[in-house]
Amino acid sequence: DTGVSQDPRHKITKRGQNVTFRCDPISEHNRLYWYRQTLGQGPEFLTYFQNEAQLEKSRLLSDRFSAERPKGSFSTLEIQRTEQGDSAMYLCASSLTDPGGVDFGPGTRLLVL
Amino acid sequence: AQKITQTQPGMFVQEKEAVTLDCTYDTSDPSYGLFWYKQPSSGEMIFLIYQGSYDQQNATEGRYSLNFQKARKSANLVISASQLGDSAMYFCAMRERYKLSFGAGTTVTVRA
Repeated sequence: DTGVSQDPRHKITKRGQNVTFRCDPISEHNRLYWYRQTLGQGPEFLTYFQNEAQLEKSRLLSDRFSAERPKGSFSTLEIQRTEQGDSAMYLCASSLTDPGGVDFGPGTRLLVL
Repeated sequence: AQKITQTQPGMFVQEKEAVTLDCTYDTSDPSYGLFWYKQPSSGEMIFLIYQGSYDQQNATEGRYSLNFQKARKSANLVISASQLGDSAMYFCAMRERYKLSFGAGTTVTVRA
């Protein structure tokens, strides 16, 4: 068990470009979350998967954002037509059904120029 | 409405002393979980301690203990014998059903 992994760790892109991030949860974890964190703030919930089903999307997740979790394993978060306001740390987390802890990955730092 | 409130933006503590980080929460769900995470400058969220709403005893993990006062909706973190490596941002979080909600965090700086 190597924990939650995310790829890439850093991404610099130009405004208007599309970016995709990948998250590999802990293998036996059926829940997967995406969070966004801006400097000096706590993480904000974006979306949640139980197995392959996306059960909740935050209003923070505009139409430019899409997330998938095919086959209930890894997940991808895509941002289309990036804007400078999308610059943030994107955190993935996974957990088992209650009770228990929520394990976070190292995050992907996105900078949109 | 804010679900998690951390009122201390920053705190200084002397090495080897204890520090208490405040956290209050708001929920009407009888079943919930409370978490504390540490986030060093590298950005990784490190799980420290967990308290379930039905747990009778306060959680402890090494130098970390959670002072759970259910009636006051308070879940303060106590770090004993502070070390220089404890300097980081600390987040209180609450899980209702599946969603984890975070407070704004408290920056702790440990002085030698």
